[in-house]
Amino acid sequence: EDQVTQSPEALRLQEGESSSLNCSYTVSGLRGLFWYRQDPGKGPEFLFTLYSAGEEKEKERLKATLTKKESFLHITAPKPEDSATYLCAVAEQGGSEKLVFGKGTKLTVNP
Amino acid sequence: DTAVSQTPKYLVTQMGNDKSIKCEQNLGHDTMYWYKQDSKKFLKIMFSYNNKELIINETVPNRFSPKSPDKAHLNLHINSLELGDSAVYFCASTPRGSYEQYFGPGTRLTVT
Repeated sequence: EDQVTQSPEALRLQEGESSSLNCSYTVSGLRGLFWYRQDPGKGPEFLFTLYSAGEEKEKERLKATLTKKESFLHITAPKPEDSATYLCAVAEQGGSEKLVFGKGTKLTVNP
Repeated sequence: DTAVSQTPKYLVTQMGNDKSIKCEQNLGHDTMYWYKQDSKKFLKIMFSYNNKELIINETVPNRFSPKSPDKAHLNLHINSLELGDSAVYFCASTPRGSYEQYFGPGTRLTVT
């Protein structure tokens, strides 16, 4: 069973059309939930860390939220340069320092 | 002023060969990782080193052997390469007390 499930797998938006990406997780205790952005041919780029339910983080047009079961990455009025694959990862309490990644959501924003 | 660098960026080789990938970070981080990203873009951890000590060793064939000569470097040696080893390999590092990992640009390995 996957510990981290992201949906949708792919999402196409028009420029300015706001939407949300979902990351649901199943771990016995969450140490942290992480969002990354990955552009084609590049390594993942760190965006946010969320530690507890109710926490929110913002960066430009992106806002990440966290509940006890899932996280959302809200994209407000996206631009074509927001096109990328967005990866979610979790670190489990009591475990090693490893991150378990979801399979990502590929976002395409059309002009 | 690259933070996490990897060499080479591309590696094409034949089955049965032995190859190495190198990683260096200039961030002063204590922990370094190797990840494998398959053709479906799924990113999975392979190994982790903390200050030259192996701390994570996932279920990886023992043809893969990491080595950390110092805390700024983590290399990955692969023996007897197989077709299924074709993937992009990422190095990452994280500072002490943090889970925020910073990734290198990746090495695309193609085994023919």
